[in-house]
Amino acid sequence: GQNIDQPTEMTATEGAIVQINCTYQTSGFNGLFWYQQHAGEAPTFLSYNVLDGLEEKGRFSSFLSRSKGYSYLLLKELQMKDSASYLCAVSDNDYKLSFGAGTTVTVRA
Amino acid sequence: IAGITQAPTSQILAAGRRMTLRCTQDMRHNAMYWYRQDLGLGLRLIHYSNTAGTTGKGEVPDGYSVSRANTDDFPLTLASAVPSQTSVYFCASSPTSGSYNEQFFGPGTRLTVL
Repeated sequence: GQNIDQPTEMTATEGAIVQINCTYQTSGFNGLFWYQQHAGEAPTFLSYNVLDGLEEKGRFSSFLSRSKGYSYLLLKELQMKDSASYLCAVSDNDYKLSFGAGTTVTVRA
Repeated sequence: IAGITQAPTSQILAAGRRMTLRCTQDMRHNAMYWYRQDLGLGLRLIHYSNTAGTTGKGEVPDGYSVSRANTDDFPLTLASAVPSQTSVYFCASSPTSGSYNEQFFGPGTRLTVL
């Protein structure tokens, strides 16, 4: 089976940095995705990692360590619009995505 | 149509009734998926289709069926709805079913079974 763990909730102040961790144990690995989901809306793609290391995309960065079954999403210079749920998803042997339960990030003024 | 659409937006359904959730994409994506999202459980895969004419079972397929007669449409049917099927249902698509398979999600259908 698939086991993907991420914290349920995080709170941070506008302008700060927040790091959302994700650990996984899955049947095979073909990449890790991060999605953002605002309340009542569809998930939207943020990042993809298949090799170890850091991928940077503007204010958002994602890191992967395959040997440790670990990833994190780093959100810098937080803005109020970053208040959302962040979903970690692993692509398994059959290229199907298994999702974590999501981390709800609340940005305070 | 731009992207992926779902209908209805929301529905209240009596237990035992049959219901079809519609999903259409205009991106010519080969692969399509149906997920349900429940509080605290995240997105769970119900059924998928790697290409038109083929379907497969996901993590939670019981009580649901799908068909993929063409590239664009991927309806999900609940033959006899039960209260445990109350959920938000998302349809998604991706260009391929393998390798880098970023999925694009529809706006969702909120279904309540009473």
